[in-house]
Amino acid sequence: EIVLTQSPGTLSLSPGDRATLSCRASQSVSSRFLAWYQQKPGQAPRLLIYAASSRATGIPDRFSGSGSGTDFSLTINRLEPEDFAVYYCQQYSNSLYTFGQGTKLEIK
Amino acid sequence: QVQLVQSGADMKKPGASVKVSCEASGYIFTNYEIHWVRQAPGQGPEWMGRINSADGHTKYSLKFQGRLAITRETSANTAYMELNSLRSEDTAVYFCARGAVSFDYWGQGTLVTVSS
Repeated sequence: EIVLTQSPGTLSLSPGDRATLSCRASQSVSSRFLAWYQQKPGQAPRLLIYAASSRATGIPDRFSGSGSGTDFSLTINRLEPEDFAVYYCQQYSNSLYTFGQGTKLEIK
Repeated sequence: QVQLVQSGADMKKPGASVKVSCEASGYIFTNYEIHWVRQAPGQGPEWMGRINSADGHTKYSLKFQGRLAITRETSANTAYMELNSLRSEDTAVYFCARGAVSFDYWGQGTLVTVSS
């Protein structure tokens, strides 16, 4: 099973800042099979990025994803108040799926 | 619009079984897999298994093999997740989600509480 490790655990920033979130895999992951989600309290996760760098429908262009192999990142430019939430990466490999433990983006 | 609507919260005793439903609308049900993902309090999501809505083929996480069953009823555009031999560690919110390699639509979640 591929383990995804996200860092940092908590990121404290202000509206207008740029956030960079990291996701490291224990084995190489195809870029086609790496996704990012946003989750707010009491809600289901929301797909932001699929195939490492493609934005899902309706996702603002301040969200971008990059990376390959074992290192992936999610960048959020010009943070808006509604962006403060928990973010998860997720991978698919060998018919199995795993999620990272999450990065909490909080208001500084 | 695409919607996945799940059944309501449930409370079970240890050793019991729970069955959660997920009714899909707004798309052709048999064109997409339905996955089940759970999230324990304060934890990240955990993938449990999936069903091919067209042919009923299933794939389960090794962690749940033997006590998880995912089924579907195509005439009702509904998928089901049944978890047996419940223990306190199974207390979580259970989500259904549509997708293949990533999950683009999710149900609202169903809280299952296991307590004596």
